[in-house]
Amino acid sequence: DGGITQSPKYLFRKEGQNVTLSCEQNLNHDAMYWYRQDPGQGLRLIYYSQIVNDFQKGDIAEGYSVSREKKESFPLTVTSAQKNPTAFYLCAVGWAGGYTGELFFGEGSRLTVL
Amino acid sequence: AQSVAQPEDQVNVAEGNPLTVKCTYSVSGNPYLFWYVQYPNRGLQFLLKYITGDNLVKGSYGFEAEFNKSQTSFHLKKPSALVSDSALYFCAVRDRYNFNKFYFGSGTKLNVKP
Repeated sequence: DGGITQSPKYLFRKEGQNVTLSCEQNLNHDAMYWYRQDPGQGLRLIYYSQIVNDFQKGDIAEGYSVSREKKESFPLTVTSAQKNPTAFYLCAVGWAGGYTGELFFGEGSRLTVL
Repeated sequence: AQSVAQPEDQVNVAEGNPLTVKCTYSVSGNPYLFWYVQYPNRGLQFLLKYITGDNLVKGSYGFEAEFNKSQTSFHLKKPSALVSDSALYFCAVRDRYNFNKFYFGSGTKLNVKP
């Protein structure tokens, strides 16, 4: 079944712990993105990657890290340095190199810090 | 800088009535505009986009949007609202200078009452 799979759907973390959110896609898209969603603030870009082994910081990268070791996967680590990590995290994919294409989103992961 | 604004946090409409969700944009040059819908605790679903051509764009689930260059607007419309249309709607613009960046509005919650 084609699509974007994010896991886990819900995650609880104690303060001071790092957590990793998974994003896997089989749509064969080159570009992958991580967004953070907070109520009333829309979506904010954390990191993006156009090709394997390369990624760029978005607007709110502090306290987050990513890797892109294969085309299908773009995991996001929320580190203990992220001061306010409770949020809904969305992974998206799209075609690299084109202005006209839309993004396709996964179902999201909700992180709650206890 | 590229940006979009959704001036209404919430829109209420009765089932069967027409609906409009407003979006205005600020970009240099021609804009690439998108509408997405989000149901609770789900990812964003693509509805439609304007790249060029006809100012009236038709999309999924009976939605359409009207691009108005003079008013810098891209309002989402539907002739007859359904209760199932109740959701959070996001307008977005793609950055012409860094096509990996999408700028999202803060979202408008649509409530359709039976």
